[in-house]
Amino acid sequence: EVQLVESGGGLVKPGGSLRLSCAASGFTFSSYSMNWVRQAPGKGLEWVSSISSSSSYIHYADSVKGRFTISRDNAKNSLYLQMNSLRAEDTAVYYCARECTDYDILTGYSRWWFDPWGQGTLVTVSS
Amino acid sequence: SSELTQDPAVSVALGQTVRITCQGDSLRSYYASWYQQKPGQAPVLVMYGKNNRPSGIPDRFSGSSSGNTASLTITGAQAEDEADYYCNSRDSSGSHLGEFGGGTKLTVL
Repeated sequence: EVQLVESGGGLVKPGGSLRLSCAASGFTFSSYSMNWVRQAPGKGLEWVSSISSSSSYIHYADSVKGRFTISRDNAKNSLYLQMNSLRAEDTAVYYCARECTDYDILTGYSRWWFDPWGQGTLVTVSS
Repeated sequence: SSELTQDPAVSVALGQTVRITCQGDSLRSYYASWYQQKPGQAPVLVMYGKNNRPSGIPDRFSGSSSGNTASLTITGAQAEDEADYYCNSRDSSGSHLGEFGGGTKLTVL
C-alpha cells in the first residue's frame, strides 16, 4: 500500500523552529518528486514547497521562501521540512504529497497531480 | 491569494448533476487536478489530466477543460459527495510554483 506518514508537528513560539518529517512506503520513493501543502484552520489548501527526486530542483511559495527548507533522504524514504522563524500565520496542518507529472503530446498539455497525501501534522505557532 | 478561481459554494439536489469550475491562466498549459476533502480528513485525488479518475473514484465524477477553465462534474450526486473540492495546477510562467483554487464547498440537498 502506498502510504505517507507525517510527524514532527506541535506547539512552537513565534520565531521558533520545527522540523517536519514524512515517511514514505509502498513505492519507489527515489523516483518521485515530493511536495508539502498546508491548510490553516478553516482555510483552503496552500502549496508550500516541492523537491525533485534527486533534490536537484527545489521550489518554495513566496510566503515561506527564506524561512523553510525542504529536503529528502532517499536512503531513508523520508521527506523533511525545516521551518525557521515561524510566525502565527504558519499555523496549519501540513501535508506531504507525492507528485506525479507527465506531458500529453497529443494535446500539448502537462498533467501535474498529487497522490497520495499523508494524514497531516498540525503546527501551532503561538506564545 | 490563489491564481485559480473557484466559486466558494455550490449546492445540488440529491441525484442531480453539478459542475464545479476552476479558472486560471495556468489552465491553458496544465490540466487541473481535483481533490475532495471531507471534514477532518486529508484531501483525496478525484480527477487529474484531461479526464482521468484514480482507482476507486466512482464514474459519476468526470472532468473537462476548455481554455482557461477546468470543470469537475458529478452526475447523480450522492450524499457522500458533500465535501470541499479544490482544483490544483502549476504556474505556467516557468516558476514551477504550485497553486490551489480557494475551494468550493459542495452541499448535497
